[in-house]
Amino acid sequence: GENVEQHPSTLSVQEGDSAVIKCTYSDSASNYFPWYKQELGKGPQLIIDIRSNVGEKKDQRIAVTLNKTAKHFSLHITETQPEDSAVYFCAPSWETSGSRLTFGEGTQLTVNP
Amino acid sequence: GAVVSQHPSRVICKSGTSVKIECRSLDFQATTMFWYRQFPKQSLMLMATSNEGSKATYEQGVEKDKFLINHASLTLSTLTVTSAHPEDSSFYICSARGPGEQFFGPGTRLTVL
Repeated sequence: GENVEQHPSTLSVQEGDSAVIKCTYSDSASNYFPWYKQELGKGPQLIIDIRSNVGEKKDQRIAVTLNKTAKHFSLHITETQPEDSAVYFCAPSWETSGSRLTFGEGTQLTVNP
Repeated sequence: GAVVSQHPSRVICKSGTSVKIECRSLDFQATTMFWYRQFPKQSLMLMATSNEGSKATYEQGVEKDKFLINHASLTLSTLTVTSAHPEDSSFYICSARGPGEQFFGPGTRLTVL
């Protein structure tokens, strides 16, 4: 099965700074790489994803970069805001629609005002 | 985006009773739904894959006789926790495979006294 590692487990930044979270996976067949944001007491929400034929994708303040050779992908958040505070999970899988997501352990991001 | 609902959002029950949790895809049909369990400050762990019209596929270590899953229609899957015990207290989250991605429900907080 897929082994997924996420680093760091906690991240504290000042408002306006950038945050980067890295996800390392083991299954070279994985071709779908999503990032989810989970606020306290809620279900996870997809914030950005990338397919294996693309190296980078950006959506306003959020970007994801993929290195398939090294089997890792990273979430980049720029100009962080307090409302970005949440737990972020990566969940690589091998089908485009994410048929069997294996979640990383999560990263607690705290943005201090 | 597509919406997945769960009912109830929270439930408290006595030890030994059974609890049913519903997961509905509100604006799309889902042949496949997933059930996850999340303990405090931990990641989401896949319990089972629910396929409409057929038996669910359970992950290793998940008791199928304790966690009954029924996926009777393309918009509804139910999880029944039978003979619940305090160690079953957790946050249960469903997801449905929709257009292009998996959509997650808001979760159900189960507390077994």
